[in-house]
Amino acid sequence: GAGVSQSPSNKVTEKGKDVELRCDPISGHTALYWYRQSLGQGLEFLIYFQGNSAPDKSGLPSDRFSAERTGGSVSTLTIQRTQQEDSAVYLCASSLAPTNQPQHFGDGTRLSIL
Amino acid sequence: SQQGEEDPQALSIQEGENATMNCSYKTSINNLQWYRQNSGRGLVHLILIRSNEREKHSGRLRVTLDTSKKSSSLLITASRAADTASYFCATRHSGGSNYKLTFGKGTLLTVNP
Repeated sequence: GAGVSQSPSNKVTEKGKDVELRCDPISGHTALYWYRQSLGQGLEFLIYFQGNSAPDKSGLPSDRFSAERTGGSVSTLTIQRTQQEDSAVYLCASSLAPTNQPQHFGDGTRLSIL
Repeated sequence: SQQGEEDPQALSIQEGENATMNCSYKTSINNLQWYRQNSGRGLVHLILIRSNEREKHSGRLRVTLDTSKKSSSLLITASRAADTASYFCATRHSGGSNYKLTFGKGTLLTVNP
């Protein structure tokens, strides 16, 4: 595809349920990033993948959050036992290489926990 | 703590005027980038300036970088209503963890027709 694709675009779920968010990066982009954006806030870094490896998971808020990437392409972010404070927009970005390259963002998944 | 801090938090101008947004940061950087975000959308990369550069232009955009003051500015000239969006600066650290960007909270720009 032409850009980074994220699904679903919106997700409403009940507290305590698990959710899975998907990111399809731009073809050929080896670096993939997940961010979280709360209302009126900047972006909070969650995790970075280089290929299928995640050298930095330091931004994941708790052990309820996990992410994986397969085939150096699609990534999924899973939140288990969701809490109301997990409500936010989850943005995925990809880039050619994690150096002097801009990041290309998807439109995000807006997650609402009831 | 936030690496990039933009000011002002909000800016409202008339179409045709220039808009200036500022960004300050705390640690040494490899580069600084500006992004735009329209409501409900992802971020769009506008311009990247490396730490050894002082000024960069792209169309109606002009970015300056002062590493001695750890600050950057984004100037949008001859603004248009379509420029209405949030603007974020993001810094890429030098040294370790140099793969990730650290974003500020952004400036909400409103251009009135």
